[in-house]
Amino acid sequence: QKEVEQDPGPLSVPEGAIVSLNCTYSNSAFQYFMWYRQYSRKGPELLMYTYSSGNKEDGRFTAQVDKSSKYISLFIRDSQPSDSATYLCAMSGYGNKLVFGAGTILRVKS
Amino acid sequence: DVKVTQSSRYLVKRTGEKVFLECVQDMDHENMFWYRQDPGLGLRLIYFSYDVKMKEKGDIPEGYSVSREKKERFSLILESASTNQTSMYLCASSPHRGATEAFFGQGTRLTVV
Repeated sequence: QKEVEQDPGPLSVPEGAIVSLNCTYSNSAFQYFMWYRQYSRKGPELLMYTYSSGNKEDGRFTAQVDKSSKYISLFIRDSQPSDSATYLCAMSGYGNKLVFGAGTILRVKS
Repeated sequence: DVKVTQSSRYLVKRTGEKVFLECVQDMDHENMFWYRQDPGLGLRLIYFSYDVKMKEKGDIPEGYSVSREKKERFSLILESASTNQTSMYLCASSPHRGATEAFFGQGTRLTVV
């Protein structure tokens, strides 16, 4: 079993929809949780970074962490075609290496 | 903004060649990392470095080595390229030891023929 599980998609939604992307994990030592966005043929770009449980909002993006369920989510409101990309979750414990999910492909149709 | 620059976007090399991938960061980060990314396998850590002249093996170091002579520069070396090393290679730097808040370069798509 992988430490971090992420549905590869593709997830296809109409423009303006609310998008929910999720990851589950098995290692209870994880404390730092990140979401990266990766456009085709580019490197990943850090979108959101949260520590421990709770919510964090940045514009149209909201990251949620539920450590009791070992479940993290990224919500995108009013999705745009420019949001079409692969979204990678990543997490780590203190001072430990980063573990990535395999990524979810998101397609927003205009 | 943090900038991580990889020397090449695309490379085509022959089997058995020695290949050098260069990475430079401009944010004075102590921690640098090399990953490879393959469909269905995600990002896998090859090597990382917490300081100049210091290196540690990641999850898949076989067939690779690294060099860090200066703080801002981290090089990945394929000693004798093989076709199974065809992949996207990503360099990252981070202010944190575990690559938390890592910033990535644009990637090098390496094809070994």
